[in-house]
Amino acid sequence: GQQVMQIPQYQHVQEGEDFTTYCNSSTTLSNIQWYKQRPGGHPVFLIQLVKSGEVKKQKRLTFQFGEAKKNSSLHITATQTTDVGTYFCAVDYKLSFGAGTTVTVRA
Amino acid sequence: DTAVSQTPKYLVTQMGNDKSIKCEQNLGHDTMYWYKQDSKKFLKIMFSYNNKELIINETVPNRFSPKSPDKAHLNLHINSLELGDSAVYFCASSQGITGYGYTFGSGTRLTVV
Repeated sequence: GQQVMQIPQYQHVQEGEDFTTYCNSSTTLSNIQWYKQRPGGHPVFLIQLVKSGEVKKQKRLTFQFGEAKKNSSLHITATQTTDVGTYFCAVDYKLSFGAGTTVTVRA
Repeated sequence: DTAVSQTPKYLVTQMGNDKSIKCEQNLGHDTMYWYKQDSKKFLKIMFSYNNKELIINETVPNRFSPKSPDKAHLNLHINSLELGDSAVYFCASSQGITGYGYTFGSGTRLTVV
């Protein structure tokens, strides 16, 4: 299946700061999905990106699909404690998941 | 009202035993999946069924056998459990095999002792 690299693996953020997590592929993607998994929880669908250069926003979350459709990013502004969890990107019809970025927040 | 429900939530069993995990979805989706999440949170697809037909069968030991009696149910039977089978198993569903936004169940934490 499709291989995607997610960086960073861990992100320790001061409450109120911004951060970005990245998902990179060596091949062109048809689409990319993002999921969030809270500690002890299950993955929850956040968004799907399909078009080259697409940007979508959900409140403090901004998702972007690269022009070449080989990478994607998730940017969170003004991080809150509710943002704690692991963020996964997923690709391909088999929904291959990246390794995830685990986010912790310092109050 | 749970969209994708799995039972049991926790399963502790001895090596060599046989166990089953059940999954049901009430979303009307036609495709269901089993994923395994290891201790490092890596999520790997195991099986997928579309309208009761097996469409994805990743490299999984044949001790694992999925069964889909209808498109709303997907069960996972595991024979001769091994220590390495300890993980969280997630069921998921989507509409179509290139589904928009998979819905996951709450998971079954399997511990083999």
